[in-house]
Amino acid sequence: QLQLQESGPGLVKPSETLSLTCTVSGGSISSSSYYWGWIRQPPGKGLEWIGSIYYSGSTYYNPSLKSRVTISVDTSKNQFSLKLSSVTAADTAVYYCARTELVVYATAFDIWGQGTMVTVSS
Amino acid sequence: QSALTQPRSVSGSPGQSVTISCTGTSSDVGGYNYVSWYQQHPGKAPKLMIYDVSKRPSGVPDRFSGSKSGNTASLTISGLQAEDEADYYCCSYAGSYVFGTGTKVTVL
Repeated sequence: QLQLQESGPGLVKPSETLSLTCTVSGGSISSSSYYWGWIRQPPGKGLEWIGSIYYSGSTYYNPSLKSRVTISVDTSKNQFSLKLSSVTAADTAVYYCARTELVVYATAFDIWGQGTMVTVSS
Repeated sequence: QSALTQPRSVSGSPGQSVTISCTGTSSDVGGYNYVSWYQQHPGKAPKLMIYDVSKRPSGVPDRFSGSKSGNTASLTISGLQAEDEADYYCCSYAGSYVFGTGTKVTVL
């Protein structure tokens, strides 16, 4: 059964870069049937899509975050990563990685990681 | 890209039905049949409940159903059960993703 696991620092200083990694287990990240995405949720608030990546490295981002976001993939490690630059307190959130299965679910996020809390504070 | 509009909360007694609306625009909800719904219990990751407006993933009870009319999508929970108490989010894909504001479902 495919599983996703987020990892990375739980505390980031303002103006620095937030870096998270999502490790895929129980399946290959290199399948042509999947996109891999990042979604975040500030405490007590709703979900916000950050961006998604294909195993080939093709990406698309939320227009409101695009200038600060980089998502990359490392097929040799079965991982994909998120970098968010120039963070502020508004970037404090639980960050989830998730899969989009293109054949059946087309655009929906069918498998999610458990999420990791990232706090932006000095 | 503004968040889709959902009611803040809905409630119902066990066995009753509740419907959650999700209002967007002709550029997102109204323009594509790519609406999905997610259930989120406190402290847990979201779970896919409905995709492509009205399709249910394997394992999701048929008490959950989805529909769309114009720029508004809806999730209906029939035969409400205690374990359905959670937050629910809609999501629309139109080249990029936009989520709804979220609805808390309370089972009285």
